[in-house]
Amino acid sequence: EAGVTQFPSHSVIEKGQTVTLRCDPISGHDNLYWYRRVMGKEIKFLLHFVKESKQDESGMPNNRFLAERTGGTYSTLKVQPAELEDSGVYFCASSQGVGLSFYEQYFGPGTRLTVT
Amino acid sequence: KNEVEQSPQNLTAQEGEFITINCSYSVGISALHWLQQHPGGGIVSLFMLSSGKKKHGRLIATINIQEKHSSLHITASHPRDSAVYICAVFIGYGGSQGNLIFGKGTKLSVKP
Repeated sequence: EAGVTQFPSHSVIEKGQTVTLRCDPISGHDNLYWYRRVMGKEIKFLLHFVKESKQDESGMPNNRFLAERTGGTYSTLKVQPAELEDSGVYFCASSQGVGLSFYEQYFGPGTRLTVT
Repeated sequence: KNEVEQSPQNLTAQEGEFITINCSYSVGISALHWLQQHPGGGIVSLFMLSSGKKKHGRLIATINIQEKHSSLHITASHPRDSAVYICAVFIGYGGSQGNLIFGKGTKLSVKP
C-alpha cells in the first residue's frame, strides 16, 4: 500500500509568487493534516481535514494560505503571495477513523519551500 | 516555555550504548507519538501510545499518564539510529481532536 505522498519535494520561488503544494493521503484515510516546520523551530499544526471538510484551521498563519481537499481525497495548500517567512518544510499526514479516539498518523516526506 | 519539552536537545553516544530521550508535556491528553526523522528524510512514526509501554525491536517507549511524561529508549544503539527523535502530543479537545503539538526534537548521533 502506498504511503502519504507529497509534491513537489522541493520548491524555490520568489517573494510575491504563488506556490501550490499537494498531498495524497493513504487511501481510505479520512483525516488529513498539514504541518509546517520553519528553520530552528518545532513542527507546528496548520489545519485538519475530515474528508472534504475543514475540521480545524486554527494553525493557518494568515489568509495568504488556502487549503482544499477535493472530494475528500488529495489536498492542496496554496500560498499566495508567498513571503520570505513562509520558507520551511511542509508536512502532510493522514490517519483513519473519526470520533473520540486517537489514530496513528502517517507522515509524508515533506515539501521544502524556499522563498527568496 | 514550550508545551512539549524534550531532553536532551542533542545526544552523542557510542555504538552499543543504551539511550534514553525524555518528553514532558503540559498540554493535551495522555496520548502521544514518537517520531523519527533522518537527515534529509521524511518523518516516520515509531510509536503511538496512551498508556504503559510499547516495544518494537530495540526501541521501547513508556508513558506515565499521571506525571505527563514519556521516554523513548534505544537498546544496543547503532549508527543507523542517528536521527532526530520527536515527541508529539495529541490535543484532545473539541474540534482539535487528533491534532498534534510537537517538541523541538532530540538530535541523536551514534558513533561507531
